Amino acid sequence: QVQLQQSRAELVKPAASVTLSCKASGYTFTNHYLHWVKQSPSQGLEWIGWIGPTNVNANYAQEFKGKATMTVDTSASTTYLHLSSLTSDDSAVYYCAREYDGGYFYFDYWGQGVLVTVSS
Amino acid sequence: DIQVTQSPASLSASLEEIVTITCQASQDIGNFLSWYQQKPGKSPQLLIHSATSLADGVPSRFSGSRSGTQYSLRINRLQVEDTGIYYCLQHYSAPRTFGGGTKLELK
Repeated sequence: QVQLQQSRAELVKPAASVTLSCKASGYTFTNHYLHWVKQSPSQGLEWIGWIGPTNVNANYAQEFKGKATMTVDTSASTTYLHLSSLTSDDSAVYYCAREYDGGYFYFDYWGQGVLVTVSS
Repeated sequence: DIQVTQSPASLSASLEEIVTITCQASQDIGNFLSWYQQKPGKSPQLLIHSATSLADGVPSRFSGSRSGTQYSLRINRLQVEDTGIYYCLQHYSAPRTFGGGTKLELK
């Protein structure tokens, strides 16, 4: 069965960086794009961006350019989200989600989410 | 960017009642809209894709419809397990945009 297993919760200091992971299983990794979504209490769900499975293509929401960097390790069926220069505004739950490959681009599977807390 | 305006923000309904949630897109997005249900502490789960298609395993009391740029999620005969937060998502173009969410509670 399709699974997206995300890394553990992170407690990080302001100005630091963090890298989150999302390991895919149960399907052919190279057939699907992956997305990252932020959920904070004050902002609901925010789309961060998508990355292609071969690390060639990526697209970021304007608000996350310079903040987020997505990468993929195809050999490990894993996508990563690197967040830099963290502030309290970055405290949130981050989800990875798989994009359906049949032409309509909706998110058919989600990871369990990872809580990032930025605090000194 | 395409804006998606979801309403209502919250909703209280009785068991067996019919519930409707709507999303208004700021421009034509065709059928590139999906609906998700989120329970506390859980990730969103796909309910409806392509505006009107029921996702695998989702009860048939859920349905989606479209009229122009207005999209609706309908729940027939509301059940206890249907409480949660519902979101729409437009996946017509980047940036993908979510509706603000609808918190559904039992009256």
